[in-house]
Amino acid sequence: DIQMTQSPSSLSASVGDRVTITCRASRAIGNYLAWFQQKPGKAPKSLIYAASTLQSGVPSKFSGGGSGTDFTLTISSLQPEDSATYYCQQYHSYPRTFGQGTKVEL
Amino acid sequence: EVQLVESGGGLVQPGGSLRLSCAASGFTFSPYWMNWVRQAPGQGLEWVANVKQDGSESHYVDSVKGRFTISRDNAKNSLYLQMNSLRAEDTAVYYCARDGFRSPFDDWGQGTLVTVSS
Repeated sequence: DIQMTQSPSSLSASVGDRVTITCRASRAIGNYLAWFQQKPGKAPKSLIYAASTLQSGVPSKFSGGGSGTDFTLTISSLQPEDSATYYCQQYHSYPRTFGQGTKVEL
Repeated sequence: EVQLVESGGGLVQPGGSLRLSCAASGFTFSPYWMNWVRQAPGQGLEWVANVKQDGSESHYVDSVKGRFTISRDNAKNSLYLQMNSLRAEDTAVYYCARDGFRSPFDDWGQGTLVTVSS
């Protein structure tokens, strides 16, 4: 199975900050990497797929990058509504696996 | 508007069975791969299983193989998860999620809670 490791596990930032979350795959997955946002008590929401393609309707302050084994999710100009847990997920091979999550707090 | 509504969760004893359903609306169901993803209390997300558009192919995480069966009924726009030999570690919120044509888990239901306890 491909292991997905996110860092940091949690972070605290201020309104207007730029934050970056890193996701590392245990072996190369090309660009088969997605990012999700989950707020407490809610279902996850798809933000990015193919490592850097924004889902329809997702604000451009979210951006993704990377390929192979190392990926990033960047949130520019953090706002209170961005407080959530963010997950990366590989869909290169089965079983599909998620990172452990990064909790972003303001 | 895409809607996925799960049902069938509840409290079940270890070793018992449960069948989850996911009713889809607001889109044409049959062209999409469909998934079940679960989240144990206070924990992260775990993909459980998925099924191809016509039901001819499915995949499972190792921990549920031989115990869970995913299926679908395109005529009823519905996805199912038959869960047998349930264990305490299967306790979780179970989400139904639709794959997009180029991306995984484009849309999610609100989830249904399964609790396995005596």
